[in-house]
Amino acid sequence: IVLTQSPGTLSLSPGERATLSCRASQSVTDNYLAWYQQKRGQAPRLLIYGASNRATGIPDRFSGSGSGTDFTLTISRLEPEDFAVYYCQQYGRSPVTTFGGGTKVEIK
Amino acid sequence: QVQLVESGGGVVQPGKSLRLSCAASGFTFTSHGMHWVRQAPGKGLEWVASVSYDERNKYYADSVKGRFIVSRDNSKNTLHLQMDSLRPDDTAVYYCARDRYNLLILISWFDFWGQGTLVTVSS
Repeated sequence: IVLTQSPGTLSLSPGERATLSCRASQSVTDNYLAWYQQKRGQAPRLLIYGASNRATGIPDRFSGSGSGTDFTLTISRLEPEDFAVYYCQQYGRSPVTTFGGGTKVEIK
Repeated sequence: QVQLVESGGGVVQPGKSLRLSCAASGFTFTSHGMHWVRQAPGKGLEWVASVSYDERNKYYADSVKGRFIVSRDNSKNTLHLQMDSLRPDDTAVYYCARDRYNLLILISWFDFWGQGTLVTVSS
């Protein structure tokens, strides 16, 4: 499964809403889709699993939605620490897992 | 708390070998599958290999199949990646990551990641 993330870069101001898209080349089994945040020089951090479940300790301004081939990560109000690169990942019964190319959320 | 600490990276010539390690602590190592993910400079994440909690299942990306071997030592809570026939396009930061479950039936999400170790393949 190929995951295509859009846009490549999102330029927004703190307090604005961010909407990130992840589109799969074929249907993702049982919505086995995760989202990760990666800040510069740091390891990725799990945000969302199962398309819409927030990981432990993740603020509720982060939400995931979607099913089938179209998934969305929404950050309701951007905080300064949210400017980073975001990746989606599909997992599940296939022995292969893949990541999308990433969306960079930068300060406008 | 969960900790994953990678080691073994460095500069190596094309065609040579390198062995990475990931020391795990703060959780029951034998309850989780483990993964290696890499990131070339300025690029995105690429899954490399996975191993189930008991080594029964091992999976590899096509780009490393036949050259890399993933293994684990459950007595030492350590994950390994043996990398042979290295190529310049293997240059990347290599992360180890924990699977949420044991990886006997399926790959799950990666709930904890190490800080990574840099591998540079260059003559």
